[in-house]
Amino acid sequence: QVQLVESGGGVVQPGGSLRLSCAASGFTFSSYGMHWVRQAPGKGLEWVAFIRYDGTNKYYADSVKGRFTVSRDNSKHTLYLQMNSLRAEDTAVYYCAKDWGSNTLFDYWGQGTLVTVSS
Amino acid sequence: EIVLTQSPDFQSVTPKEKVTITCRASQSIGSSLHWYQQKADQSPKLLIKYASQSISGVPSRFSGSGSGTDFTLTINSLEAEDAATYYCHQSSSLYSFGQGTKLEIK
Repeated sequence: QVQLVESGGGVVQPGGSLRLSCAASGFTFSSYGMHWVRQAPGKGLEWVAFIRYDGTNKYYADSVKGRFTVSRDNSKHTLYLQMNSLRAEDTAVYYCAKDWGSNTLFDYWGQGTLVTVSS
Repeated sequence: EIVLTQSPDFQSVTPKEKVTITCRASQSIGSSLHWYQQKADQSPKLLIKYASQSISGVPSRFSGSGSGTDFTLTINSLEAEDAATYYCHQSSSLYSFGQGTKLEIK
């Protein structure tokens, strides 16, 4: 069965950096696009970033463009999110999600990892 | 940016009741509208794709309809386990979510 396991969350000061990882199993990772979606405490869902199955195309939400970088290592079945210049408003649970196909919808989600930006 | 507006924000309902949640898009998105269910302290789960297509393993009491700018998620004969927040999501132009509708079971 499909499994997505995020890691790397924690507490970081404003202006700091953090790298999240998402380990995938149960499907052919190299054949599917992947997303990051976040959820601030008590708030709704916000799409953050997408990377194509082969890593050639990447898209970002305006709120993180220029600060966050999505990447993947298909040999390790792992998705990454490098987060720089972090702000208090980046505090959220970050989910990785598998794309159903053709850059459309999220058919499987991980359990999430909490990032807290605070001094 | 396409904005999705759900209504209501909150609804308190009794078991076996029929529930309707609406999602309105700020511009036409065809049928590129999907629904998710998020129970407390869990990650979201896909319920309906492309406005009305069912998902394997999702109970048949969940159904979707609509196209263009107006969409509906219907839950027939509500069960206690359906207490959750429901989100619509569009994939016509990048991605965005509605603000969510929280269902409370009386």
